[in-house]
Amino acid sequence: DTAVSQTPKYLVTQMGNDKSIKCEQNLGHDTMYWYKQDSKKFLKIMFSYNNKELIINETVPNRFSPKSPDKAHLNLHINSLELGDSAVYFCASSQDNMPAYNEQFFGPGTRLTVL
Amino acid sequence: DQQVKQNSPSLSVQEGRISILNCDYTNSMFDYFLWYKKYPAEGPTFLISISSIKDKNEDGRFTVFLNKSAKHLSLHIVPSQPGDSAVYFCAATTGGYQKVTFGIGTKLQVIP
Repeated sequence: DTAVSQTPKYLVTQMGNDKSIKCEQNLGHDTMYWYKQDSKKFLKIMFSYNNKELIINETVPNRFSPKSPDKAHLNLHINSLELGDSAVYFCASSQDNMPAYNEQFFGPGTRLTVL
Repeated sequence: DQQVKQNSPSLSVQEGRISILNCDYTNSMFDYFLWYKKYPAEGPTFLISISSIKDKNEDGRFTVFLNKSAKHLSLHIVPSQPGDSAVYFCAATTGGYQKVTFGIGTKLQVIP
């Protein structure tokens, strides 16, 4: 019974394509996040949503568009994929919008490879 | 600009001994610190945290020490077990609704 699930686990695609990564949490949490772990292993936040509302939007290219149809889902759509987008993308959720006081639960990650 | 630094990429420790993982930070506004553990092919999982009003927090075999004047924290694992072999991320936040900033991680190997 996975708490935070992501699909697909692996994604290999060509430059210029558009792709989506889906995330679902069954913890009843209000806040969801997308993180990117690049080749240097830095884990950096991209977006956070609280009750379907965008809260954090780091300096991420416009090609990345998160969508939260309901508070249990946060999908990430990427347009015109570039080589530098290759990374592992982690979805996470927390009880509320205060990650300092409420632990974040992470999904298993989606390894995106852009050729 | 790395605000959270983990300068040791890896660490090997014998089973039963103490593991000490170090973390330095540069942002003096950070007031809450967290450690996450990550196994291969899994997402990070929360391990332990400490508020800046404390200098020590303990949870079973895991203890985090905070030295605010040195902008340094460390995670002690005693005794170390093979199942502790993982990547450990140090993280920090200015608290409240602010984002969490992660370090690059330290890979711990506990040798049986």
